[in-house]
Amino acid sequence: NAGVTQTPKFQVLKTGQSMTLQCAQDMNHEYMSWYRQDPGMGLRLIHYSVGAGITDQGEVPNGYNVSRSTTEDFPLRLLSAAPSQTSVYFCASSWSGTGGYEQYFGPGTRLTVT
Amino acid sequence: AQSVAQPEDQVNVAEGNPLTVKCTYSVSGNPYLFWYVQYPNRGLQFLLKYITGDNLVKGSYGFEAEFNKSQTSFHLKKPSALVSDSALYFCAVRVNAGNNRKLIWGLGTSLAVNP
Repeated sequence: NAGVTQTPKFQVLKTGQSMTLQCAQDMNHEYMSWYRQDPGMGLRLIHYSVGAGITDQGEVPNGYNVSRSTTEDFPLRLLSAAPSQTSVYFCASSWSGTGGYEQYFGPGTRLTVT
Repeated sequence: AQSVAQPEDQVNVAEGNPLTVKCTYSVSGNPYLFWYVQYPNRGLQFLLKYITGDNLVKGSYGFEAEFNKSQTSFHLKKPSALVSDSALYFCAVRVNAGNNRKLIWGLGTSLAVNP
């Protein structure tokens, strides 16, 4: 199993540009989520999904869109990049959002918005 | 409000000495508690969890954690630290989020093990 994969590893955007961060998992996990990690802020949940076709907002959803058309994929879209979105983004998956299941994390995407 | 606190930004310990990384929580109901580790430029890795049962939980890489309900704590411990244990450690607790659940994360504790 590849686990959770994320592409790209690094990205530089100009303010106002859009892009999609890709996330895929091959463990047949129901639950997938996107976090951003900023110094001194810990991990903050952006969006999550409890299954194909079902998504919901986390604590910092503004400026980001998600969709979940398949169990495997959970892309994160930045509609109009802003310098405040400079961060490291992690995708994670687990068996379920309701049980005490551990999350599996991807390697992260380091995004810089200039 | 439901929350997780890691009171120490950084912990320094000499190799071979025992280490403790502290975590306290405030949630309603019975907590599901987790510890994760993040090595430099890597994603987080699961270490261990407490759901129910024995208050002492054993996990990966020789780590263990003790659940203390009266003190609402879930401290991470290891009897003998290794230089390779140097990393960022996160405590998390599962909370209700409408019909689903989500994790609330502590801000992390940077562990430095000195040779």
